[in-house]
Amino acid sequence: DVKVTQSSRYLVKRTGEKVFLECVQDMDHENMFWYRQDPGLGLRLIYFSYDVKMKEKGDIPEGYSVSREKKERFSLILESASTNQTSMYLCASSLRSDLFPPEAFFGQGTRLTVV
Amino acid sequence: AQKITQTQPGMFVQEKEAVTLDCTYDTSDPSYGLFWYKQPSSGEMIFLIYQGSYDQQNATEGRYSLNFQKARKSANLVISASQLGDSAMYFCAVKTSYDKVIFGPGTSLSVIP
Repeated sequence: DVKVTQSSRYLVKRTGEKVFLECVQDMDHENMFWYRQDPGLGLRLIYFSYDVKMKEKGDIPEGYSVSREKKERFSLILESASTNQTSMYLCASSLRSDLFPPEAFFGQGTRLTVV
Repeated sequence: AQKITQTQPGMFVQEKEAVTLDCTYDTSDPSYGLFWYKQPSSGEMIFLIYQGSYDQQNATEGRYSLNFQKARKSANLVISASQLGDSAMYFCAVKTSYDKVIFGPGTSLSVIP
């Protein structure tokens, strides 16, 4: 079975803390994505990576950075957490292709609360 | 930039009836793929159906079908014979030739017994 695993299901952090969200996939996928999901806004792309050490900004990269040192692991970093980063964070992965599927596979999500 | 619009924030449908969830997209890429995902209250994202921009036929997967109108940039999801378990959030997404996957804001579907 394909699997995308996020390190924490729930996380509570203080304002100003550096926060690491980890995502690991065991499918040898080239592409990995980080989204945040907020009610009424759907999923918004923060960053994505199509290869080791490669990263591309999504639609809302401000306040975030990412790291992809190994193919199976994609980390999202909140350099200095703020309350407006309280959200559900979803990691996904997919095979590299010019166009067509397979689809993206998602982790179970991390609900982050910044207090 | 790519953009997905889902104009129906919430929908209701009677059990066993069909329902159409709207999706329009905006991309300048000549080739792209369109997906629909389901997210039940438990939170996991479940892939439902895919349509390639050059596919001649509309995609179907069991009770799900995709009404693809390329000229209108429309990719509506049709669920036939709705079941109570279909109550969930539904997201339309586009994947472009640069592997970027963009999601719409979602439609909440409630199936009424």
